[in-house]
Amino acid sequence: GAGVSQSPSNKVTEKGKDVELRCDPISGHTALYWYRQSLGQGLEFLIYFQGNSAPDKSGLPSDRFSAERTGGSVSTLTIQRTQQEDSAVYLCASSSYPGAKGADTQYFGPGTRLTVL
Amino acid sequence: GQQLNQSPQSMFIQEGEDVSMNCTSSSIFNTWLWYKQDPGEGPVLLIALYKAGELTSNGRLTAQFGITRKDSFLNISASIPSDVGIYFCAGPPFGSSNTGKLIFGQGTTLQVKP
Repeated sequence: GAGVSQSPSNKVTEKGKDVELRCDPISGHTALYWYRQSLGQGLEFLIYFQGNSAPDKSGLPSDRFSAERTGGSVSTLTIQRTQQEDSAVYLCASSSYPGAKGADTQYFGPGTRLTVL
Repeated sequence: GQQLNQSPQSMFIQEGEDVSMNCTSSSIFNTWLWYKQDPGEGPVLLIALYKAGELTSNGRLTAQFGITRKDSFLNISASIPSDVGIYFCAGPPFGSSNTGKLIFGQGTTLQVKP
């Protein structure tokens, strides 16, 4: 399809294990965002990538969270030593516009539902 | 940090009724966005507002950017079953780095009874 795709759609893991979540943005989109959505809550910004610029990591909740974007396309969000409070839906969005214009042009993927037991 | 307070948290209405939800902030926003999220999907942008006082419609949806720039509302007229979902207000935090990242309200869950 032509939209943002994420995998896996669901991930169940044990406390203390590491997980990797993948995002395939829309082809040609230079801006990529990760958000976290806890049950009954709005989305919480995690990290932003734009081209080859240094990512904005200001939303990452702890140093157990990291993300990379290889070749300006696919992105991977890694959570190390998962905790139960990490359970949430992790959403990825991409935009063809950098900077402020990216605010109203983000297309979201379906998300990965992470459950930490 | 900036927060968006959205109300009501949930609504259960009869098909055909009009719906109104709003979003407020203690600080100003230069852009207000309204999204809808269906179960198992990511949010989809419904309406974008860029100017204080602006009133914008998209079919049965109408949204307004408050004059004070600290609030916005979304109205849905003549609701239908497919309006069911979670509605979010959102906006780029004022004065933050120029990245396009968004702050979201907590969401309003809408259920429509046929």
